[in-house]
Amino acid sequence: KAGVTQTPRYLIKTRGQQVTLSCSPISGHRSVSWYQQTPGQGLQFLFEYFSETQRNKGNFPGRFSGRQFSNSRSEMNVSTLELGDSALYLCASSLVGFSGSYYNEQFFGPGTRLTVL
Amino acid sequence: AQSVAQPEDQVNVAEGNPLTVKCTYSVSGNPYLFWYVQYPNRGLQFLLKYITGDNLVKGSYGFEAEFNKSQTSFHLKKPSALVSDSALYFCAVRALSYNTDKLIFGTGTRLQVFP
Repeated sequence: KAGVTQTPRYLIKTRGQQVTLSCSPISGHRSVSWYQQTPGQGLQFLFEYFSETQRNKGNFPGRFSGRQFSNSRSEMNVSTLELGDSALYLCASSLVGFSGSYYNEQFFGPGTRLTVL
Repeated sequence: AQSVAQPEDQVNVAEGNPLTVKCTYSVSGNPYLFWYVQYPNRGLQFLLKYITGDNLVKGSYGFEAEFNKSQTSFHLKKPSALVSDSALYFCAVRALSYNTDKLIFGTGTRLQVFP
């Protein structure tokens, strides 16, 4: 099976712009989660999508949004970019994700390195 | 608050020696615990998990972890380290509350294995 793919791998934007990142999960996986990784804050959970619905959300401002399509592919959008948004954005997929007492491990993509100038 | 701590920023070990990477957690209810490894310019790779059952969990690449409920710890171990084990290791705990369900990661421990 192909792994989780993320595009683009690298991105440079300027403050105030918006950006869209894409994630294709492992075939058959219905849960997609997004994380932000920075040297200062470490790995932080952004949100999880399951069956085209946002099921869980972390503590990020509304500038961060996402969506999931019927084929489980997901996009993450950041509007009005700030310097502090520079980070590695990781996408992870799993069969059913966070679902009560049943939990599958997540498989991570290589990430998109976003630099905001 | 639910959290996970990795008290060591870096662990240095000689090749062939045993290694331990420490992790402690704080959750309400039964913990779901995980270890992931990150190589340079790569995403995270799953190593092992503890949901229930035996306290000693075996994972990928010869790694294992010991769940200790009384000490709220989940230390990662390997009997004989390899230079290729050098990477960034993350402990994570599932945090389930009334309004969210997510993974919380520790700050990471850089493992350096010297030849």
